[in-house]
Amino acid sequence: QVQLQESGPGLVKPSQTLSLTCTVSGGSISSGGYYWSWIRQHPGKGLEWIGYIYYSGSTYYNPSLKSRVTISVDTSKNQFSLKLSSVTAADTAVYYCARDYSNRFDYWGQGTLVTVSS
Amino acid sequence: QSALTQPPSASGSPGQSVTISCTGTSSDVGGYNYVSWYQQHPGKAPKLMIYEVSKRPSGVPDRFSGSKSGNTASLTVSGLQAEDEADYYCSSYAGSTQGYVVFGGGTKLTVL
Repeated sequence: QVQLQESGPGLVKPSQTLSLTCTVSGGSISSGGYYWSWIRQHPGKGLEWIGYIYYSGSTYYNPSLKSRVTISVDTSKNQFSLKLSSVTAADTAVYYCARDYSNRFDYWGQGTLVTVSS
Repeated sequence: QSALTQPPSASGSPGQSVTISCTGTSSDVGGYNYVSWYQQHPGKAPKLMIYEVSKRPSGVPDRFSGSKSGNTASLTVSGLQAEDEADYYCSSYAGSTQGYVVFGGGTKLTVL
């Protein structure tokens, strides 16, 4: 059974960079066939796709966030990561990592709340 | 504003059926058979309920069904049960020119 777990600071100051890591267990990121994704949910709001990465390192980003987002993968640790730069209060959200298999998100992490505040 | 349009709320009594719509464009819902539906209970991660318009993952009750006509996809929940009360989100592949993945704004399903 594949499991994903987000980790990282729960509080980030405005203008700084938000950094989160997703650790995958029960399956290998390197096995191919999947895109490893970041999705966020503003408090009380809907879901917003941030981007995803293939094990080879190919990345695909939401155009509205592309200038501030970097997603990377570390296959040796079976992890992938999110960096979001120049954050503001509008980036306060629950951040989920998820596995995209053939254009469906079939496994999700539990989510982690990141608050942007001084 | 979400790329896909869903009604904010829907409701039904136990045992009844309810249908939730998800309207997009020919660049997303209408252009691909990659519409998915997710169920989210409060404080929990979303759960995949329907993929590729009408397919159910293993373990999802057959009370949940999906369909699509043109640029609008639909999720139908039959034989409503109390545990079906949740938020439901649709999603569609949108191709490289439209940002790859788009979600609906979500529908709060209330079981009366």
